[in-house]
Amino acid sequence: QSALTQPRSVSGSPGQSLTISCSGTRSDVGNFNHVSWYQQYPGKAPKVIIYNVNNRPSGVPDRFSGSKSGSTASLTISGLQAEDEAEYFCCSYAGSYTYVFGTGTQLTVL
Amino acid sequence: QLQLQESGPGLVKPSEALSLTCSISGASFIGNNYYWGWIRQPPGGGLEWIGNIYPNGDTYYSPSLASRVTISADASNIQFSLSLRSVTAADTAVYYCARLTHGQYQFDPWGQGTLVTVSS
Repeated sequence: QSALTQPRSVSGSPGQSLTISCSGTRSDVGNFNHVSWYQQYPGKAPKVIIYNVNNRPSGVPDRFSGSKSGSTASLTISGLQAEDEAEYFCCSYAGSYTYVFGTGTQLTVL
Repeated sequence: QLQLQESGPGLVKPSEALSLTCSISGASFIGNNYYWGWIRQPPGGGLEWIGNIYPNGDTYYSPSLASRVTISADASNIQFSLSLRSVTAADTAVYYCARLTHGQYQFDPWGQGTLVTVSS
């Protein structure tokens, strides 16, 4: 059970849209529609922003959206804002009641 | 409102066991549709799922940690615990507890986390 692969860092200017990828295998991302995304500020606990690929918990801005194609899930942030600068992690159900997280992506707002 | 709070020693010696407790307030451990988990994050590193416990007592662990981990629930139904045996410096991390909601496969909410350092 290897960690899902994410780009180490991404950056964008305010107002832009950007996408963070999360690459897994047919045993996790490719086999289940149970990918979640977490936003983490330094020194804070992660907070869920997407679950089951493309569902937003209440209170999460609709600028955040999720999708999946094959074994790769994606988080898209539209209308980038300064407050979006944080680290983002994906997580997938991997069967047999197990989970696997991604390697994490640091988002910098220029 | 559900709140989770991790507690336990912040320093553990190599080869010894790490023991942490997650206290639940605002909800019950045995509530339907909820499961409970542990996740850790080494300094400057990524998140690693450790394992989950279900209200019926069933437990599921990361294959990489299964030989050293035990997650258990307290009879009071307001806390659950993590035990990690034979620790090394590689087990130094912030340890979080979190709730899973049936059908949603998301960890929410999380505790604030507690840093455990493995050092002699």
